[in-house]
Amino acid sequence: EDQVTQSPEALRLQEGESSSLNCSYTVSGLRGLFWYRQDPGKGPEFLFTLYSAGEEKEKERLKATLTKKESFLHITAPKPEDSATYLCAVYKAAGNKLTFGGGTRVLVKP
Amino acid sequence: GAVVSQHPSRVICKSGTSVKIECRSLDFQATTMFWYRQFPKQSLMLMATSNEGSKATYEQGVEKDKFLINHASLTLSTLTVTSAHPEDSSFYICSARDHGQGALGYTFGSGTRLTVV
Repeated sequence: EDQVTQSPEALRLQEGESSSLNCSYTVSGLRGLFWYRQDPGKGPEFLFTLYSAGEEKEKERLKATLTKKESFLHITAPKPEDSATYLCAVYKAAGNKLTFGGGTRVLVKP
Repeated sequence: GAVVSQHPSRVICKSGTSVKIECRSLDFQATTMFWYRQFPKQSLMLMATSNEGSKATYEQGVEKDKFLINHASLTLSTLTVTSAHPEDSSFYICSARDHGQGALGYTFGSGTRLTVV
């Protein structure tokens, strides 16, 4: 059975304190891994898609990396506006759907 | 970019009544739409996949007679929560897939907060 596990569940950071979020997966036939940001009371907002091990993508203070077993979302020098829940999801061509991890709630304090 | 509009954003209804939630793809045709449910501090749980012009495919444990899904056009899917009860209170989110964008094509609506009193 496909599994997507995110850790930690919650993360409290001081502004400027860099950290990493983990998304480990057990999926057969992975076609892509997505990262989303979700603010309270809102739908997920797309951040990145990674397709193959070794791939990296960056956007402002965020950098996503992918290995054969896990993905990391690195937050460099976070600001309070980076506070959100970060979700990862895997995509398999068979089934045509995304499977989400449990999310990591990030709180960045000024 | 692709935009998915979901309405209403919030709804309060009385126990026993039915509530309809709409999900529209504004600038693309979505042959496939997805409905998720999210409890507080939890992740998105897929409820069903709807394909335009055919019956929805429900995930295990989701009552198809309670959560009616209609995908009558390439830009509109609706979720009707029938005979709602307080335990149906949750955050419901739709997603539409623009197949022209391949794996990038999943766009989410802004969600509907349903409260059943």
